[in-house]
Amino acid sequence: AQKITQTQPGMFVQEKEAVTLDCTYDTSDPSYGLFWYKQPSSGEMIFLIYQGSYDQQNATEGRYSLNFQKARKSANLVISASQLGDSAMYFCAMRDRNDYKLSFGAGTTVTVRA
Amino acid sequence: DVKVTQSSRYLVKRTGEKVFLECVQDMDHENMFWYRQDPGLGLRLIYFSYDVKMKEKGDIPEGYSVSREKKERFSLILESASTNQTSMYLCASSFQGGLNTEAFFGQGTRLTVV
Repeated sequence: AQKITQTQPGMFVQEKEAVTLDCTYDTSDPSYGLFWYKQPSSGEMIFLIYQGSYDQQNATEGRYSLNFQKARKSANLVISASQLGDSAMYFCAMRDRNDYKLSFGAGTTVTVRA
Repeated sequence: DVKVTQSSRYLVKRTGEKVFLECVQDMDHENMFWYRQDPGLGLRLIYFSYDVKMKEKGDIPEGYSVSREKKERFSLILESASTNQTSMYLCASSFQGGLNTEAFFGQGTRLTVV
């Protein structure tokens, strides 16, 4: 069974600074994909970034990057140059090759301070 | 743009009522999902469907049923609503692709059972 752990319920970050959101996962399948989603207060889930288990490089998408440490089973999201609009809940999720579904962590609420 | 539309943003129902939550997607996705979101628990999968009339139980199916009569529509049914089903419900859809296949979400339905 898959398990996603996000240990930080909430974080504060100063505008223009970087913030790292932790995510660890557990799976016995060597082939899997890791996702990060953003959920603003309006409720919709916005896809941010994807990392495959066999990808050689860490994924990056604009100000988002993924610090993927396969041996440690961690996939931390780094948001650089935080903006007020980054205030939201962030979810880490995983899918393995035998599954259609995404399994989610509990989420981390990020509050960006001016 | 992919659109996943949930019929209601907010819903208030009485204990014992039969409740229907409707979800429609416009991208011809094979897979559709119903998740429940609760604070501290993240998103938990209730049911998913990989084809018309096909369904599989997720992690927390008790007290729920689903219906998928048409490819674009996936309904979640609470046969007899109870107060512990007060929650945010999120519908999602995706193609049956590889590991990196993104799931697209609706805006969520916040259900209160009184």
